[in-house]
Amino acid sequence: DTGVSQNPRHKITKRGQNVTFRCDPISEHNRLYWYRQTLGQGPEFLTYFQNEAQLEKSRLLSDRFSAERPKGSFSTLEIQRTEQGDSAMYLCASSLGESGGRQETQYFGPGTRLLVL
Amino acid sequence: DAKTTQPNSMESNEEEPVHLPCNHSTISGTDYIHWYRQLPSQGPEYVIHGLTSNVNNRMASLAIAEDRKSSTLILHRATLRDAAVYYCILRLNNNDMRFGAGTRLTVKP
Repeated sequence: DTGVSQNPRHKITKRGQNVTFRCDPISEHNRLYWYRQTLGQGPEFLTYFQNEAQLEKSRLLSDRFSAERPKGSFSTLEIQRTEQGDSAMYLCASSLGESGGRQETQYFGPGTRLLVL
Repeated sequence: DAKTTQPNSMESNEEEPVHLPCNHSTISGTDYIHWYRQLPSQGPEYVIHGLTSNVNNRMASLAIAEDRKSSTLILHRATLRDAAVYYCILRLNNNDMRFGAGTRLTVKP
């Protein structure tokens, strides 16, 4: 399968612990996105990379969140000192973006579901 | 940011056409209209997109009003596998997508 993969698929952690999620995009895609989705809502944009450069961050991405994409391939999203409000589905998407991005198609992974107890 | 308005839920019978509406009265001239859908326990998947003209692909058709203030996603023959949340999204000249709450489509056998 050459789609976007995310690991782990599920994570249960205690409040205050750190968690890290991994996203492997489609291999030739230069853009990678992270979204968060809570129950009953649509996904909310968190951050975006073009190759290894993080170009945009949402105000939703607090100081406890950090994302990296070393070498422009896979990406990791770390949440430090987790809070119960961080419980959500974390989605990764990748795309082969043209300039401007208005027509690009984003391909989503299955998501990592986080539960903070 | 330009916003979209969709009904919370719709129902359809299997093998009948489904018309999913979306209002986007604040759309600007360069905003593309994209539709994605999210099946249960999966990430969203692309359905179709357009700018001004109606568009067809193997999954669906997109009818865009002449003033571009609304659009309709058309599934020509709904199947049980089309039960999902459908999102209408305006793509601004930037790189993120702003999802609303979408329309939950139920398909009855």
